[in-house]
Amino acid sequence: DQQVKQNSPSLSVQEGRISILNCDYTNSMFDYFLWYKKYPAEGPTFLISISSIKDKNEDGRFTVFLNKSAKHLSLHIVPSQPGDSAVYFCGGGSNYKLTFGKGTLLTVNP
Amino acid sequence: NAGVTQTPKFRILKIGQSMTLQCTQDMNHNYMYWYRQDPGMGLKLIYYSVGAGITDKGEVPNGYNVSRSTTEDFPLRLELAAPSQTSVYFCASSSGQGIETQYFGPGTRLLVL
Repeated sequence: DQQVKQNSPSLSVQEGRISILNCDYTNSMFDYFLWYKKYPAEGPTFLISISSIKDKNEDGRFTVFLNKSAKHLSLHIVPSQPGDSAVYFCGGGSNYKLTFGKGTLLTVNP
Repeated sequence: NAGVTQTPKFRILKIGQSMTLQCTQDMNHNYMYWYRQDPGMGLKLIYYSVGAGITDKGEVPNGYNVSRSTTEDFPLRLELAAPSQTSVYFCASSSGQGIETQYFGPGTRLLVL
């Protein structure tokens, strides 16, 4: 039972354009959601979070949108840069535990 | 401030051998976690701890043991290594306040042959 799903294994965009990474979840008990970025041979790095009572959170080039009725969240990166190329994990959190999706590999082409 | 550190970075084990993966954090976090990541998969929680002396099972605890004698350290023990335990292991910690941002170590890559 996959509580958090990232249905796109990979995404390729041009530098300067918008990257949109999607995440769906089934567990209504998640209190918050986080996005992590992971480079090869490194640990995941926290990117941005959103509380379940919010519908948007913005931090520089990164914005996360939450649609609770659809159980869907998305991460927008504008403008995309080659250094953003990495695997992005979406995670749902409750009771101090996180459940992660399988990740989406983002490639930003110069 | 080193954050979360893990040793070793890489290890090859023979089937049936045992080893301990070390994890240390210097952020005075109460909560610590062990995950494994298999190729093409997300991170799966093995064990977690909410404070010294308190541990609990996650999603995939079989074949592993943990202990938490101090706030800083959270070692993961593999008693009888099996090929199915070939994976990358990540340790993480969080403060236990508000939105639980977990901070991850660099990982230990384990190969069981």
